[in-house]
Amino acid sequence: AQSVSQHNHHVILSEAASLELGCNYSYGGTVNLFWYVQYPGQHLQLLLKYFSGDPLVKGIKGFEAEFIKSKFSFNLRKPSVQWSDTAEYFCAASDDKIIFGKGTRLHILP
Amino acid sequence: DSGVTQTPKHLITATGQRVTLRCSPRSGDLSVYWYQQSLDQGLQFLIQYYNGEERAKGNILERFSAQQFPDLHSELNLSSLELGDSALYFCASSVGLAVPGGEQYFGPGTRLTVT
Repeated sequence: AQSVSQHNHHVILSEAASLELGCNYSYGGTVNLFWYVQYPGQHLQLLLKYFSGDPLVKGIKGFEAEFIKSKFSFNLRKPSVQWSDTAEYFCAASDDKIIFGKGTRLHILP
Repeated sequence: DSGVTQTPKHLITATGQRVTLRCSPRSGDLSVYWYQQSLDQGLQFLIQYYNGEERAKGNILERFSAQQFPDLHSELNLSSLELGDSALYFCASSVGLAVPGGEQYFGPGTRLTVT
């Protein structure tokens, strides 16, 4: 069955620390991959997406993600986090239907 | 503000009841998607409509139904409500058919509490 797994449910970091949030997917065939972010009290927003081409994808606010086909992974990274990155992050995968991971709550300490 | 509006923001109702959630997509968007977010199931895709027609179905229960009207707003109808239906229901919209999860714009959600 198709699935998306996010390894960490809750991550706490200090400002300026580096971030990597894990995401693994289980899909047969071609898959499109996404990271969404939900800031406190706000709606979900698309951070970045991968459809094809360069496996290193750059998104908004300094985030990037790398698609590693052999590992079925699409981890989200940011070299130096800020307090304003406190949010919940969702990995998602789709072919004709989308499946979301359960989310990772990121809390940045000022 | 994404441009997608949802009403009501909060809804409290009893088991066995029926409710209707409403979504207005961004101006010009033809696709509307419905999602359910709960603590145990996470964020789940329910159904997609494009220009009035159903296009894709996810984990939507038979007790739930949706439609998209000629003015492109959409309604999600939840009937015979159970405690487990308590969740945040999101609507999203996109310009075209797109792949689900492409350039979608999410609304603020409707929080449904079933008592």
